[in-house]
Amino acid sequence: DMKVTQMPRYLIKRMGENVLLECGQDMSHETMYWYRQDPGLGLQLIYISYDVDSNSEGDIPKGYRVSRKKREHFSLILDSAKTNQTSVYFCASRWGDYAEQFFGPGTRLTVL
Amino acid sequence: GDSVTQTEGQVALSEEDFLTIHCNYSASGYPALFWYVQYPGEGPQFLFRASRDKEKGSSRGFEATYDKGTTSFHLRKASVQESDSAVYYCALGGHSNNRIFFGDGTQLVVKP
Repeated sequence: DMKVTQMPRYLIKRMGENVLLECGQDMSHETMYWYRQDPGLGLQLIYISYDVDSNSEGDIPKGYRVSRKKREHFSLILDSAKTNQTSVYFCASRWGDYAEQFFGPGTRLTVL
Repeated sequence: GDSVTQTEGQVALSEEDFLTIHCNYSASGYPALFWYVQYPGEGPQFLFRASRDKEKGSSRGFEATYDKGTTSFHLRKASVQESDSAVYYCALGGHSNNRIFFGDGTQLVVKP
């Protein structure tokens, strides 16, 4: 079953707390992505990962870091979360340069 | 750099109307072009792709033709249904190190 999963689906944190968002895929895709989506702003790329321990900044990496220790798993970490990081976060994966992306269901993060 | 422009921020139609959502791109060579659909509360889903000039992609009654001359990949559907209400994203890939460039999205609202 080709699927991207995200945990948790909903998360409420206080400003300054650490946040861990997790993403998994069962398709052995090399490339994985983290995006955030704010109302009216579409999808903004945070980080892209080409494989285990091979990560690259996207357009808005400030305040985020990532970890990929296994091909099927890609984590997004917010050290000391800020209120302006309140958003919906999507993970995606794909197998090749001309292939489509598979998206997860998203994590709705609220930072108070 | 590579980019995608969707002209319409929102389109409002009645059931059985004809749909056109305009997508123009800027990129060198022959990028892959994609359409994605996003329903409320879900991640974007791949609709279809095209990767050669004059190639037509299609799925679920939606279609678009890759036109390198006009750098366009307009989404069309002959007769929309209320269930087609969603946000539609045009995207470009196949370049730039596995990055995908998304348009800002078009909100389609179909009234019964």
